Amino acid sequence: AQSVTQLDSQVPVFEEAPVELRCNYSSSVSVYLFWYVQYPNQGLQLLLKYLSGSTLVKGINGFEAEFNKSQTSFHLRKPSVHISDTAEYFCAVKSLGNNDMRFGAGTRLTVKP
Amino acid sequence: NAGVTQTPKFQVLKTGQSMTLQCAQDMNHEYMSWYRQDPGMGLRLIHYSVGAGITDQGEVPNGYNVSRSTTEDFPLRLLSAAPSQTSVYFCASSYRVSQETQYFGPGTRLLVL
Repeated sequence: AQSVTQLDSQVPVFEEAPVELRCNYSSSVSVYLFWYVQYPNQGLQLLLKYLSGSTLVKGINGFEAEFNKSQTSFHLRKPSVHISDTAEYFCAVKSLGNNDMRFGAGTRLTVKP
Repeated sequence: NAGVTQTPKFQVLKTGQSMTLQCAQDMNHEYMSWYRQDPGMGLRLIHYSVGAGITDQGEVPNGYNVSRSTTEDFPLRLLSAAPSQTSVYFCASSYRVSQETQYFGPGTRLLVL
């Protein structure tokens, strides 16, 4: 079965600084990869997804992620964060042929003024 | 469209009680799923359904039952609640089972005493 590891449980960063949230996955077959964001007391919403094609994926709110098959990674980046980006971010993987999606434990991003 | 709705928002149960968490979607999505979210563990899949009349187990199915009699509804039943089932429960849906984006409900916070 596929699995996901988010390498940082908490990432504090100052406003307007760049940020990278790290995600590694494990799967014996090809995968689809996702990043979701959860704002306080809300459900999850999709930031971006990689299905195939270009390994650099752009999402909403200025976020982007790069699929690296050799490193089995899908790190999320933003060149300049805002206070409003404070939230929990989840990486998720779905293997081809499987009907279920596996989520990482989450990374809490805190943007400080 | 209301999207994915969940009721109740919050529930307190005593050990041994049973209850049903309701989930409905009005987007004609084939795929529906239930997750539980616990601190430091991300989201874990409980059960999922790829269409009316079809359900399957996820990562943590013990203590929960589901059914899918209609495309719109996917209730989650706790047969005999235990303190270990204290969690936040999210329902999600997507148009198809494959690589489609999942849309999440607002969640149900459950406390089992």
